[in-house]
Amino acid sequence: DSGVTQTPKHLITATGQRVTLRCSPRSGDLSVYWYQQSLDQGLQFLIQYYNGEERAKGNILERFSAQQFPDLHSELNLSSLELGDSALYFCASSVAGQDIGYGYTFGSGTRLTVV
Amino acid sequence: GQQLNQSPQSMFIQEGEDVSMNCTSSSIFNTWLWYKQDPGEGPVLLIALYKAGELTSNGRLTAQFGTTRKDSFLNISASIPSDVGIYFCAGLSAGNNRKLIWGLGTSLAVNP
Repeated sequence: DSGVTQTPKHLITATGQRVTLRCSPRSGDLSVYWYQQSLDQGLQFLIQYYNGEERAKGNILERFSAQQFPDLHSELNLSSLELGDSALYFCASSVAGQDIGYGYTFGSGTRLTVV
Repeated sequence: GQQLNQSPQSMFIQEGEDVSMNCTSSSIFNTWLWYKQDPGEGPVLLIALYKAGELTSNGRLTAQFGTTRKDSFLNISASIPSDVGIYFCAGLSAGNNRKLIWGLGTSLAVNP
């Protein structure tokens, strides 16, 4: 158990729908990062939040949004889902706000299947 | 987005063999990280490298930070079945706008 909790573990939904993925960071970590992993694209950074504020943005589609709440848990909202959104979505957390690389702890991921 | 060139893409080896993989970039990095992802799990940090030329070991794993700061290598000695998984390199770019750039991974299969 890495200490980063992601729910749900699996999600199957239809095209056009909206889903919310949840992440609770490791105790003491202030930063949350969201990554998308598909077979042919490796790990793609989506967005980072630090202590409730958006800190960095990667290749996140306009149909996707995220937020970090006062208790530091984060949610990734995916809307108007397309077949190509099927992927593993990982959350990672770290103590620091700047993307320093070390101290990244990943959750076990949410596998999203869009049918 | 920007990615590192990680090779090989996949390897299938016999138990007991040594394994080598590498990552290269056209950009300079200040930090190189090597992660392993077991099936159905998130990546786990194996080794972190912070200085050009640095050689660091973690059990049977050894990684090196290339002297040009544009590459890194990971070696696994005497592979065992539990080494199976995907190995990712990641580099932390230099400058004020530091970003973690990921390789596409090396998938390792070990035949017992």
